[in-house]
Amino acid sequence: ETAVFQTPNYHVTQVGNEVSFNCKQTLGHDTMYWYKQDSKKLLKIMFSYNNKQLIVNETVPRRFSPQSSDKAHLNLRIKSVEPEDSAVYLCASSAGPSAETLYFGSGTRLTVL
Amino acid sequence: GQQVQQSPASLVLQEGENAELQCNFSSTATQLQWFYQSPGGSLVSLLSNPSGTKHTGRLTSTTVTKERRSSLHISSSQTTDSGTYLCAIDPMSNYNVLYFGSGTKLTVEP
Repeated sequence: ETAVFQTPNYHVTQVGNEVSFNCKQTLGHDTMYWYKQDSKKLLKIMFSYNNKQLIVNETVPRRFSPQSSDKAHLNLRIKSVEPEDSAVYLCASSAGPSAETLYFGSGTRLTVL
Repeated sequence: GQQVQQSPASLVLQEGENAELQCNFSSTATQLQWFYQSPGGSLVSLLSNPSGTKHTGRLTSTTVTKERRSSLHISSSQTTDSGTYLCAIDPMSNYNVLYFGSGTKLTVEP
């Protein structure tokens, strides 16, 4: 049963545009994450938030900015997208920062033309 | 360099055969998880096993922490097991930041 919801499922845009992706979890978790899965299917952590506070930023370009209004929401904004930003962006949550199990959303596939 | 390496990269089995997937990692892992990614892309946590042996259903994971390796055994494979199996570690003991391997793509033929 889906409990981490991401929108949109797909987004196609031009180089230089701004995009925003939304993520909401209904599990009551404290910690949320953004991961990027590239064309070779390799998943890499981008950000981690615990209770609305940024706790991990894995050397992500400054055009990426996460936004958290409350602990159930973690959005991702990309200013001025570039071709290498084409990927699947996966949102996840866990009960806490050391909780064992991550729950992933179904992902947002971004294509930059 | 890549912290997590998985082998084989791909595996084709006949239904009913067993699968053995390997994960080797280059740093101490305070957490180790196995995930399943369906052909459609959804990602599900299968097992958390930082050390020892764990079973769930037809899955058995054995992690030897000192040797920095883990395996996932799938018994009596089914066509619905087809997909990509990902191993991930958290080397830092906090913040649940997982580093993923590139996965083993399993295809189970009827």
